[in-house]
Formats: sequence, C-alpha cells, structure tokens
Amino acid sequence: EAEVAQSPRYKITEKSQAVAFWCDPISGHATLYWYRQILGQGPELLVQFQDESVVDDSQLPKDRFSAERLKGVDSTLKIQPAELGDSAMYLCASSLSRANTEAFFGQGTRLTVV
Amino acid sequence: GENVEQHPSTLSVQEGDSAVIKCTYSDSASNYFPWYKQELGKGPQLIIDIRSNVGEKKDQRIAVTLNKTAKHFSLHITETQPEDSAVYFCAASNNNDMRFGAGTRLTVKP
Repeated sequence: EAEVAQSPRYKITEKSQAVAFWCDPISGHATLYWYRQILGQGPELLVQFQDESVVDDSQLPKDRFSAERLKGVDSTLKIQPAELGDSAMYLCASSLSRANTEAFFGQGTRLTVV
Repeated sequence: GENVEQHPSTLSVQEGDSAVIKCTYSDSASNYFPWYKQELGKGPQLIIDIRSNVGEKKDQRIAVTLNKTAKHFSLHITETQPEDSAVYFCAASNNNDMRFGAGTRLTVKP
C-alpha cells in the first residue's frame, strides 16, 4: 500500500540550531502539505505545494521556516534557527490534487527543541 | 478563513455503546469534510469523508452526517470497541485548503 514517507521520525535539537525534515509523497500526488501539530491540538497548515509551486504559505513563519519541492516530488521543510516553541509534530500529507481529494498523512517527525 | 470547532474534547464510553462527535464550520464554500483517527505517535489516518452533495455516508460501524444549512457535521461510531480509542479530528475543505478541528479524545472502556 502506498504511503507518505517522512524522516526522521524523531529529532532533538538545541535552540538556535538548524533542523530539516524530509517528505516523500505518494507517487502521482501533485499536492503536498506540511502541517504542524502541537500536542493536544489539531494540525495547522504551514505550506501547500501544487507540483513544485507554493500555493499557500500564509501561515509559514518565513523569518525562520522555509520549504521547497524542487522537482515537484519530495519536499524539505527547514527551520533555522530553531526555537523552544517549535517543539511539535511536523506532518506531511499528499493528495492527488487540491480539488478536495483525500489527503494521506505520513507518520510525522516529532521535534523537540532543548 | 475557515474556522472549525469540534466537540466534545474528550469522550468516554463503555464498550458496545455509541459515540458521537460534532463539528461546525464557518466557510459556506467548504465542500469536503473528512474525519481522521490519530493513534499515539502516529499520523492522522482518514477513516471516512463526505462531500457537500451528500447528507449521510456509512461505512460499517462508522457514519457521518452533514447539515449544510446549519454548517455542521457529525461522526457516529456504533458498537464501539477498545481499539476505537484514539483522537479523532474533523476537517473542512474548500478548493484551497483544509482546516482541522481541535480533536476529540475517545476512550472506550472494556
């Protein structure tokens, strides 16, 4: 069964350091999402890609966060510098298109900033 | 933008009983409403969804209802089992993005 792959599963980093997360969506899925989920809350959208283009990054803290999907397949989310408040689960999801098709999530990366 | 509210935040039921989780949304343009189940340490898993041209959808013990006029939709789980224990999220989507509720922690007691 096709899955969204994310790595690493867990990451501990010191504040002010740089950290990066990787996501490989389900093959053929044009739309890719990065969500942040704080413990006890629902996922919040950070950035959405359609193929290699960013279509929504209105909630992305652009002073420290960046995301890319250069070839329209896998994607990287980076935080530099990391802050204590960035500790959360970072979830990647993909769907066939933006037009309300099912979004499938990966297992997530649990980030702890110390 | 879209705002999704979900109730209750926690729900405890006895095995075999039914569980109902309710969500409201604000954006009348939303037309796709999925429900996700999230187990500890894992990503959300889609369990059922409904589109705005349908009022009800059922899949075995799980059903979802949608009231477009009132802008609310509900998840119904019948004959609950201990393995149904998890956090459940509703979401609402227009053609641009999807917003999630805050989640309901369901506990099914054996």
